[in-house]
Amino acid sequence: AQSVTQLDSHVSVSEGTPVLLRCNYSSSYSPSLFWYVQHPNKGLQLLLKYTSAATLVKGINGFEAEFKKSETSFHLTKPSAHMSDAAEYFCVVSTGFKTIFGAGTRLFVKA
Amino acid sequence: DVKVTQSSRYLVKRTGEKVFLECVQDMDHENMFWYRQDPGLGLRLIYFSYDVKMKEKGDIPEGYSVSREKKERFSLILESASTNQTSMYLCASTRRAGGTGNTIYFGEGSWLTVV
Repeated sequence: AQSVTQLDSHVSVSEGTPVLLRCNYSSSYSPSLFWYVQHPNKGLQLLLKYTSAATLVKGINGFEAEFKKSETSFHLTKPSAHMSDAAEYFCVVSTGFKTIFGAGTRLFVKA
Repeated sequence: DVKVTQSSRYLVKRTGEKVFLECVQDMDHENMFWYRQDPGLGLRLIYFSYDVKMKEKGDIPEGYSVSREKKERFSLILESASTNQTSMYLCASTRRAGGTGNTIYFGEGSWLTVV
């Protein structure tokens, strides 16, 4: 069985400070893991994905995520938040046809 | 630039009306999906299709049907719209080859309000 849990429904940071969005997963098979971002009234855009290559994955806009099999985690980080990062972020786990979306984490960025 | 296009961004329909949501992708993808997105519930899969004229039920197919007559086009149909179908609908597509790890490409979404 597969599942994905985003540990925070909301995260608030100040501009210029680090961002950490947490994601834990469970999967019976070796999964692929993704982070997507959704800005207001828009579709989802791929930030980055892990597909069993390097465990540290770099994405767009300065985001990166580290796959930790022992902790079944795939947390998303960014060293310095920008106002334009305010959006909703989804962690996704996929094995073949089955794709599970996390419930989402809304990121607020304060000036 | 890859593209999934949902032709209707904002719709208002009356209860009982038949509603068509159209989605077109230009990437020659085999797989296409319809999700609905509701606050607090995340994305839920309604239907997906892995080939022309093929369809599979997702997690919440009740009240919906789909049509895939051409590879690039996947339509979602609400036979008789109800107020609990007011939602944001997202179309998506992926390549089939390789399955796992294929990026899912999303459209911009269709906001449907049923009154």
